[in-house]
Amino acid sequence: LAKTTQPISMDSYEGQEVNITCSHNNIATNDYITWYQQFPSQGPRFIIQGYKTKVTNEVASLFIPADRKSSTLSLPRVSLSDTAVYYCLVGDEGRSSASKIIFGSGTRLSIRP
Amino acid sequence: DVKVTQSSRYLVKRTGEKVFLECVQDMDHENMFWYRQDPGLGLRLIYFSYDVKMKEKGDIPEGYSVSREKKERFSLILESASTNQTSMYLCASSFTGTSVAGELFFGEGSRLTVL
Repeated sequence: LAKTTQPISMDSYEGQEVNITCSHNNIATNDYITWYQQFPSQGPRFIIQGYKTKVTNEVASLFIPADRKSSTLSLPRVSLSDTAVYYCLVGDEGRSSASKIIFGSGTRLSIRP
Repeated sequence: DVKVTQSSRYLVKRTGEKVFLECVQDMDHENMFWYRQDPGLGLRLIYFSYDVKMKEKGDIPEGYSVSREKKERFSLILESASTNQTSMYLCASSFTGTSVAGELFFGEGSRLTVL
């Protein structure tokens, strides 16, 4: 599976838009890009998933350029409750790939008042 | 909503004890996973199961075993706990056929301390 690289940490302020970029240079044709959010002492929670271009849901947007070698998670107007660790993963369908889901160290996002 | 329930949030055990961590999901998911999470190391896959009585090793299976006798329940077993198994253990489940890297549903985690 493609390895991902994302910043270790980011800081922002309430009300700002936050963009977290993930690099995945070796992404395969069948791979999807998925982002998770994890609060302290909780399991990760699925945020958004995409294959190409742009995906938006009630929580975030995911921007994927044409070459798919990177992706950007965009959180609009963050609040203190968005302080969490954000993980970027890539992977495809199939039972044979299930064992290869890799959660890296993620990006620790800190939001200040 | 999907619910993944781990039996214990906090456990304290002694070196050499046998430890059982239980996980139950209520959405008829085929796939279930056990991860451990340690500071600076992210989540690492211990074992996963894609069907009853089926299991596959993940990245760090040594010192662990698993049991899946029923579809909804996936147990992680530490045969003889050691101090280096002190960690947060996370159980997850998913449907087969969804993108592998998407829609994993996690439990709240079990923090195990081995003295």
